[in-house]
Amino acid sequence: NAGVTQTPKFQVLKTGQSMTLQCAQDMNHEYMSWYRQDPGMGLRLIHYSVGAGITDQGEVPNGYNVSRSTTEDFPLRLLSAAPSQTSVYFCASSNRRDWKQFFGPGTRLTVL
Amino acid sequence: GQQVMQIPQYQHVQEGEDFTTYCNSSTTLSNIQWYKQRPGGHPVFLIQLVKSGEVKKQKRLTFQFGEAKKNSSLHITATQTTDVGTYFCAAVNNNDMRFGAGTRLTVKP
Repeated sequence: NAGVTQTPKFQVLKTGQSMTLQCAQDMNHEYMSWYRQDPGMGLRLIHYSVGAGITDQGEVPNGYNVSRSTTEDFPLRLLSAAPSQTSVYFCASSNRRDWKQFFGPGTRLTVL
Repeated sequence: GQQVMQIPQYQHVQEGEDFTTYCNSSTTLSNIQWYKQRPGGHPVFLIQLVKSGEVKKQKRLTFQFGEAKKNSSLHITATQTTDVGTYFCAAVNNNDMRFGAGTRLTVKP
């Protein structure tokens, strides 16, 4: 099992550009989520999904969109990047029985 | 909504000293989890506590869940340089999971 994979590992964007961060898991987990991590702020939940076709907002959803067309994939879209979105982004997945989170390696995003 | 406080934010210790981080929730929890994130890495699951008053040990790490299921602690005995990283608690209440801000541990050899 590859676990949770994320691409790309690093990305630099200009203000106003759009991009999609990819996340995939091969553990058949129902629950998937996106977090951003900023210094001193811990992990803040952006969006989450409890299953294919179902998504919901987390603590800091503004500026981000998600979709969940399959159990395996949960992409995060930035429609118009802003410098405030410079951060490290982690995708995580878990089953809904014990909620043990498996994290991907992260994407380090810089918006100029 | 659920609030999760974790203290301290930073802790610097001499190798061999003990270390403790505390996690407090505003609501009664279904369970609490602990994660470790090495510098430059991603959070990795350490343990889950479910029962009131539960205590679990992993080598030099001791995890406790409070009697009221609102607080938890992680204690490391005789820290080593390999313990360096940020320790997060994750408070689970029904289908809601919230991470604490983390305690960043540095260890001086």
